[in-house]
Amino acid sequence: ETGVTQSPTHLIKTRGQQVTLRCSSQSGHNTVSWYQQALGQGPQFIFQYYREEENGRGNFPPRFSGLQFPNYSSELNVNALELDDSALYLCASSLPGDNSPLHFGNGTRLTVT
Amino acid sequence: GDSVTQMEGPVTLSEEAFLTINCTYTATGYPSLFWYVQYPGEGLQLLLKATKADDKGSNKGFEATYRKETTSFHLEKGSVQVSDSAVYFCALFNQAGTALIFGKGTTLSVSS
Repeated sequence: ETGVTQSPTHLIKTRGQQVTLRCSSQSGHNTVSWYQQALGQGPQFIFQYYREEENGRGNFPPRFSGLQFPNYSSELNVNALELDDSALYLCASSLPGDNSPLHFGNGTRLTVT
Repeated sequence: GDSVTQMEGPVTLSEEAFLTINCTYTATGYPSLFWYVQYPGEGLQLLLKATKADDKGSNKGFEATYRKETTSFHLEKGSVQVSDSAVYFCALFNQAGTALIFGKGTTLSVSS
């Protein structure tokens, strides 16, 4: 069984630039969620995708956007990067249905300078 | 709104000591509760879960019981190992069941 994979593992960008992070969900999982984990903090929910539609969103500005593809893989796009966007970005997949446990990838470490 | 509060860390123990990490929550209704573990440089791994009051989740020697009366879900292990050193997160699903709400995490360090 293939787990959740994310790419790239590390990324350095300059303030104002745009970034795209990618995620392949675990086999059989059609729901994908993205979380931001700042250093020393718990993950914060960004949004969830189900059937290629956004299915819930946390307290993040519109410059955080996403896509889900027919094969259930997903992208997180962040425009106009700010220094505070530096964090570990975690993708998680799950089976459909409320309260299905999330299975996380190892994350992408984004540094904005 | 819904929230999770965990005990402050770091928690430092000797091998074979007893572990308790406290977790309390505030939520509407009776959400599913989870403990996740994060090893250095890795993502989060589901450790255990409980979906209703008085349920006990268990895995790898860790246990936690869903206590509705005290809105708690404390993590326990009878005898910790060096390999248990990690950051532990308590979490619950929001009312819509779409997002996990995490505590700030508790760092556990076990020495031999």
